[in-house]
Amino acid sequence: QVQLVQSGAEVKKPGASVKVSCEASGYIINDYYMNWVRQAPGQGLEWMGRINPISGGTNYAQNFQGRVTMTRDSSTGTAYMELSRLTYDDTAVYYCARSHDNWFDFWGQGTLVTVSS
Amino acid sequence: EIVLTQSPATLSLSPGERATLSCRASQNVRSYLGWYQQKPGQAPRLLIYDASNRATGIPARFSGSGSGTDFTLTISSLEPEDFAVYSCQQRLNWPLTFGGGTKVE
Repeated sequence: QVQLVQSGAEVKKPGASVKVSCEASGYIINDYYMNWVRQAPGQGLEWMGRINPISGGTNYAQNFQGRVTMTRDSSTGTAYMELSRLTYDDTAVYYCARSHDNWFDFWGQGTLVTVSS
Repeated sequence: EIVLTQSPATLSLSPGERATLSCRASQNVRSYLGWYQQKPGQAPRLLIYDASNRATGIPARFSGSGSGTDFTLTISSLEPEDFAVYSCQQRLNWPLTFGGGTKVE
C-alpha cells in the first residue's frame, strides 16, 4: 500500500532553517511528482512546490522562491524540503503529497514545524 | 494567482441531511477543480477531481458539479464521519491554490 512517512516535529528559532523528509513506499516512485503543502494553525492549505522524482527538477510557488529547496534521494525513495530564514509565520504543519495530474491523491502524516525564540 | 472562495465558512447540519458546499474561482478554471476532506489532526483526503469524478474508494453520497467559475460539492445524506472541513483546489494554473475551507458541523 502507498505510504508517505514524514520526519518528526521540529522547533526552530527565527532565522534558522528546517529540513523535513518524506519516505515513500508502496508504489513506483518515478511515476509521480512529490509536492509539499503547508497549513498554518487554523488556516487553509498552501502549495509550496513539487519535485520531479526522475530529473530532480523543481517548480516552486513564488511565495517561497529563494527560501525553499526540494530534493530527493532516488536510492531510498525519500523527498526532502528545506525552508530557510524562518519567521514566526512559518509555524505550520508541513505535508508531503503525491500528485497525479496535479491532484494530491496520497499524503504524509504531516510534520509540525514551530518557530519560536 | 487564482483565488478560490468557499461558502459558507461553516455549515451546521444533522446526520441524514443534505450538505451543499460552494467554491467560486476568480477566473475560469474550466473543469480543473477538486475537493478534499480533512478531519482534525489528519491529512486531507482527495474526494473529487476534475469537478465531478469521485476518487478511488469515495462513497457515492459525495458528488461534485460545476465548471468555469462556480462549483458545488454535495453530500446527499450526511453520515457521522462526514463532519469535517472541506477544501477546494484548482489545477489550471501555477501556483496550485486551495480555498479557505468550509467546516461541516
